[in-house]
Amino acid sequence: AQTVTQSQPEMSVQEAETVTLSCTYDTSESDYYLFWYKQPPSRQMILVIRQEAYKQQNATENRFSVNFQKAAKSFSLKISDSQLGDAAMYFCAYSGSNTGNQFYFGTGTSLTVIP
Amino acid sequence: DAGVIQSPRHEVTEMGQEVTLRCKPISGHDYLFWYRQTMMRGLELLIYFNNNVPIDDSGMPEDRFSAKMPNASFSTLKIQPSEPRDSAVYFCASSLDRVILHFGNGTRLTVT
Repeated sequence: AQTVTQSQPEMSVQEAETVTLSCTYDTSESDYYLFWYKQPPSRQMILVIRQEAYKQQNATENRFSVNFQKAAKSFSLKISDSQLGDAAMYFCAYSGSNTGNQFYFGTGTSLTVIP
Repeated sequence: DAGVIQSPRHEVTEMGQEVTLRCKPISGHDYLFWYRQTMMRGLELLIYFNNNVPIDDSGMPEDRFSAKMPNASFSTLKIQPSEPRDSAVYFCASSLDRVILHFGNGTRLTVT
């Protein structure tokens, strides 16, 4: 089965600074998607950014960007100009076509933003 | 678009009671997923439907759990009888294309 690993249970960042959250995954598939979801204290899971494996260009959404290293099976999230509202749990997720597009989630990284 | 709507937001019940969680997916989404989130196991897929038909229920922990989708706009997850170890946050999510999941706000279930 596919696995998604987030090795940082907790991270903290100073407001306005940049932070990078790590994610690695294990797969034998060539066609898949990777995602970062944010879960604030309100509990709702919110899609932050997604990356298609066939695209070499790293996805970017405003202050959020990814570093996708396909050969290394690494998918890190960079948050620039961190804001207090960025404080949340962040989950990395994988979805592959050969696995029926079932989503596999990492265990999450709790991000604290220090004012 | 109101998003995925789940009810109730919180549920507290006693061991042995029946619990029913409800979900209204986003209109037009053909896929509906039920997830369970716990500190120990993270997010686990319980079951998912395509066009109201259950496709994969291999994640349903026991026969005490059952899920139905009688129509495109409504699904239920039922636990009968409930046990303290069922305490968790239960999420419903819907998808148009199985690429992006849209989650509801979840139901926090506490079984005492």
